[in-house]
Amino acid sequence: QQQVKQSPQSLIVQKGGISIINCAYENTAFDYFPWYQQFPGKGPALLIAIRPDVSEKKEGRFTISFNKSAKQFSLHIMDSQPGDSATYFCAASKTGGGNKLTFGTGTQLKVEL
Amino acid sequence: GAGVSQSPRYKVTKRGQDVALRCDPISGHVSLYWYRQALGQGPEFLTYFNYEAQQDKSGLPNDRFSAERPEGSISTLTIQRTEQRDSAMYRCASSSIPSTDTQYFGPGTRLTVL
Repeated sequence: QQQVKQSPQSLIVQKGGISIINCAYENTAFDYFPWYQQFPGKGPALLIAIRPDVSEKKEGRFTISFNKSAKQFSLHIMDSQPGDSATYFCAASKTGGGNKLTFGTGTQLKVEL
Repeated sequence: GAGVSQSPRYKVTKRGQDVALRCDPISGHVSLYWYRQALGQGPEFLTYFNYEAQQDKSGLPNDRFSAERPEGSISTLTIQRTEQRDSAMYRCASSSIPSTDTQYFGPGTRLTVL
């Protein structure tokens, strides 16, 4: 049972464009939704995270949009740059559950010049 | 400061051998997590510790897998009688506050079972 579904699997965006990655979750007990960025040969690194008490969180060029009723959240990368080319994972966890993360399957983003 | 480190970075072993994978968390971090990541997939939870106590081992696939963190710092994930299906990237993460907050991941150990 895949508790966090992520799409698309891969994405190609032109430099300066907007990258959008979507995730949907099933477990309504989840209350923490981070996005991780992973470069080849490296471990995942936290990019931005949101809790369900807000519908949007922005940090620089990165924005999470959260829709609690639809059980969906998405990552928007504005003004995408070649340096943003990486694999992005959404995840979810529940406070009190040890914060063990359930990850999506990942999106491989390539930003072209 | 130093991040999470893991050793070895690569391990090739023959089927049936035991392997031990080491994780050295960020100094002072209370929580330590083990995940397994198959190629093209996201990390999958295996087990986690707060200090030296194993809090949850529900993700360990079977009893060939075990983990310990005897002094509340370094952790070892042991796989006994390895099988080809155990081949994967094994990742460790740590966080400063028990069971909450940001998890910092290590570079992983790539295990290949021949």
